[in-house]
Amino acid sequence: ETGVTQTPRHLVMGMTNKKSLKCEQHLGHNAMYWYKQSAKKPLELMFVYNFKEQTENNSVPSRFSPECPNSSHLFLHLHTLQPEDSALYLCASSQEVGSGGATDTQYFGPGTRLTVL
Amino acid sequence: GNSVTQMEGPVTLSEEAFLTINCTYTATGYPSLFWYVQYPGEGLQLLLKATKADDKGSNKGFEATYRKETTSFHLEKGSVQVSDSAVYFCALSDQAGTALIFGKGTTLSVSS
Repeated sequence: ETGVTQTPRHLVMGMTNKKSLKCEQHLGHNAMYWYKQSAKKPLELMFVYNFKEQTENNSVPSRFSPECPNSSHLFLHLHTLQPEDSALYLCASSQEVGSGGATDTQYFGPGTRLTVL
Repeated sequence: GNSVTQMEGPVTLSEEAFLTINCTYTATGYPSLFWYVQYPGEGLQLLLKATKADDKGSNKGFEATYRKETTSFHLEKGSVQVSDSAVYFCALSDQAGTALIFGKGTTLSVSS
């Protein structure tokens, strides 16, 4: 499945750095999501965008800042991260939020493996 | 609130063995149910889904039936292969379709 791409695939950064993760979907979807996957924890939803509008912020610290300039692109801007933020960050897209039924299937990108030193 | 509970892993099987990974859920209304698979070093891939009670999702030899009476969506495969080694996630999407709620994942290891 190459409908959702993420760059970079791996990122190492210091706690004082600023970096951005990029996600692009080629599926014509209108909803995009950021998830965090840490070892031995369930996937954690971070942010949801529907038609470029943020519809959910799941109590994410402000050092993570999302941006959705259009329905095909989603960014996650990172600054002053902590070592415990090291994880796999997954982007996903779906047709739209709130449509329910068969159109709520989410398609995932390969993820960005982030290491904070 | 909505939640998903999966059996704890890891599950270790020999090639051609029968696989069952249990999944139960708690939800209001009629959620859609999903199984996703994550191979080493990759993101999640949709394996199968069911959108209403008694529906059976199937793909690549895997099957799961949406059982509303037992609030379950157990994953089965009759004969596993080494290439099936991965982490399997059960998930639900509520009627609002806001986001998926995932179980913790079950690691499957198949040896030849």
